[in-house]
Amino acid sequence: GENVEQHPSTLSVQEGDSAVIKCTYSDSASNYFPWYKQELGKGPQLIIDIRSNVGEKKDQRIAVTLNKTAKHFSLHITETQPEDSAVYFCAVPYSGGGADGLTFGKGTHLIIQP
Amino acid sequence: KAGVTQTPRYLIKTRGQQVTLSCSPISGHRSVSWYQQTPGQGLQFLFEYFSETQRNKGNFPGRFSGRQFSNSRSEMNVSTLELGDSALYLCASSDTENTEAFFGQGTRLTVV
Repeated sequence: GENVEQHPSTLSVQEGDSAVIKCTYSDSASNYFPWYKQELGKGPQLIIDIRSNVGEKKDQRIAVTLNKTAKHFSLHITETQPEDSAVYFCAVPYSGGGADGLTFGKGTHLIIQP
Repeated sequence: KAGVTQTPRYLIKTRGQQVTLSCSPISGHRSVSWYQQTPGQGLQFLFEYFSETQRNKGNFPGRFSGRQFSNSRSEMNVSTLELGDSALYLCASSDTENTEAFFGQGTRLTVV
């Protein structure tokens, strides 16, 4: 399966500041890059995704950028709020470009300091 | 529209026993995938089913198996349980390839 590395493992930011989480992957055939948010006691929830034919996608305070040449993609959260505190996971298709199933990064624990 | 439903939510089993977990996908979704989540290894892909066929399998021993029924509901089975199988088991459903996967709340399995 695909390999994906996620950094940092923990990120603490002041409320209102921006947060950036980065992931790198190994299979150049990967064509789908989702980000998930997991709150305590719940399953992961998709917050944004991007496909390989675009370089950036934005949804209100959340954006994802993709660099296919360098094989990395990043999650950007602006104007952070207390409810953004959670664990965030990046993912890529388990088999590169086909079939279903995801390989996840190890997660980033985002802490929003009041 | 109802979300992904996993049953049971919590399970305690003894080493050596076997266990079956159930997942009901969102209505109309034909793909169901399973994941194991532990503090040490994170979220790891187990297998994926589409229209009753296993299309993809992660790197887990043969003690882990699954199946999907004609109504897209899926079960996973773990035989000869080991302490290290204690984890949160998550199921996700999606309607086609590489589209949003919706997760259930998971089944918390504890092996004692």
